[in-house]
Parts: sequence; structure tokens; C-alpha cells
Amino acid sequence: ELKVEQNPLFLSMQEGKNYTIYCNYSTTSDRLYWYRQDPGKSLESLFVLLSNGAVKQEGRLMASLDTKARLSTLHITAAVHDLSATYFCAVVETSGSRLTFGEGTQLTVNP
Amino acid sequence: NAGVTQTPKFQVLKTGQSMTLQCAQDMNHNSMYWYRQDPGMGLRLIYYSASEGTTDKGEVPNGYNVSRLNKREFSLRLESAAPSQTSVYFCASLPLGLATDTQYFGPGTRLTVL
Repeated sequence: ELKVEQNPLFLSMQEGKNYTIYCNYSTTSDRLYWYRQDPGKSLESLFVLLSNGAVKQEGRLMASLDTKARLSTLHITAAVHDLSATYFCAVVETSGSRLTFGEGTQLTVNP
Repeated sequence: NAGVTQTPKFQVLKTGQSMTLQCAQDMNHNSMYWYRQDPGMGLRLIYYSASEGTTDKGEVPNGYNVSRLNKREFSLRLESAAPSQTSVYFCASLPLGLATDTQYFGPGTRLTVL
């Protein structure tokens, strides 16, 4: 059974600081996704990572994938308040079609 | 394009009542999914439909049934609601299932079972 773990689950940081969210998964995977969810809202796709060493960047967010370590990171650079949200990673098992989600990381960026 | 739509947005049920959550997408996507989201947890897959005419169980199917009415619509039915089914329910759709595809999520249905 595929398990996906994120840490930290809660993150409070100051504006302007850098931080990294980690996503570990337990079996081989074809694809890894990062989503953002604002309170009371739906999920918004941020990144799709397909291969070992893949790196994607959008604004202050950068995601990477290490399939050998079964690890993805979401790095936040010079955080701003607008980045406050819950971030989920989700993994598709090799040869599978179903997403398995991590528990989510609730990020709060304080002015 | 409305994307993925869900009705209702909010619902309160009494234990034992039944209801159907509706989901529709206008993007001609092949696959559709139902998830539930509980506080402090990620989304858990209830049922999915890889293509029109097929449905499969996900991680937490007990207490639910689904119907893929046509390519656009995928409904979730609670036959006899229980307090443990209090949750936020999200429907999602996926284009062709190519490696680069991502799931598109609806706005959610907030269900309370008393």
C-alpha cells in the first residue's frame, strides 16, 4: 500500500524567510503532484513532476523530485503572506492511475 | 467553461437519510473521481471512474455508491448517512491520463450528518 508522508504538518514562518516542505512516499512512483488549497476552497494544481531530478519553479515556489530517495521537496523562497495555504503532495504509483495524498502542510506566513 | 461543478455546496442530513451528490465536468475528460477530506487529513479516494461505463472502488468506499451517468456526470450516493460521513467531498476529473495531466477539482460539497 502506497503511503505518502509530509513534514512538517504545520509551518509558521516570517515574511522574507526561506523554508522547505518534504514529501516522502513508500513505493516506486510514476508521477508526483503538488497542490495548494486555500481555507474553504478547492485544490489548485501547482506542479507535476515526472522524472528523477525534475525541478519546476513558479514564482517563489520550487519543487523537485528524487525518485531514488522517494522524496520530493517544495522550497519557498522569501515567503510572502499570499503564500499562506495548505500544500499537499500526491503520488501515483508506477503503473497505477490513482492519486494518494499526503496529510498536507498548513503554511502560515506572518508579516 | 465551467470546469468541474458540484451540487449542492452545503448539506445537512440526519442519520439514516439518503442523498446524492452531483458532479459534472464540461472539459470532455475521461476519468472522474470522488474524494473526501477530513480535518487534518489529505484527500482520500472513495470511488473513481477511469472511463464512461466503468467504476472502481478507492480507499474508503464503504457506505457509498457511484454512477457514471455519461461522460460528463459522476454522482455519489449515500444510502443511509452516518455521522462518520460528515466531511467535505470533492469531485475531480482527469483528461486522458497522460503523464503530464493533472486532476481538476470541483469546489466541494460540505456535508454534515447529525
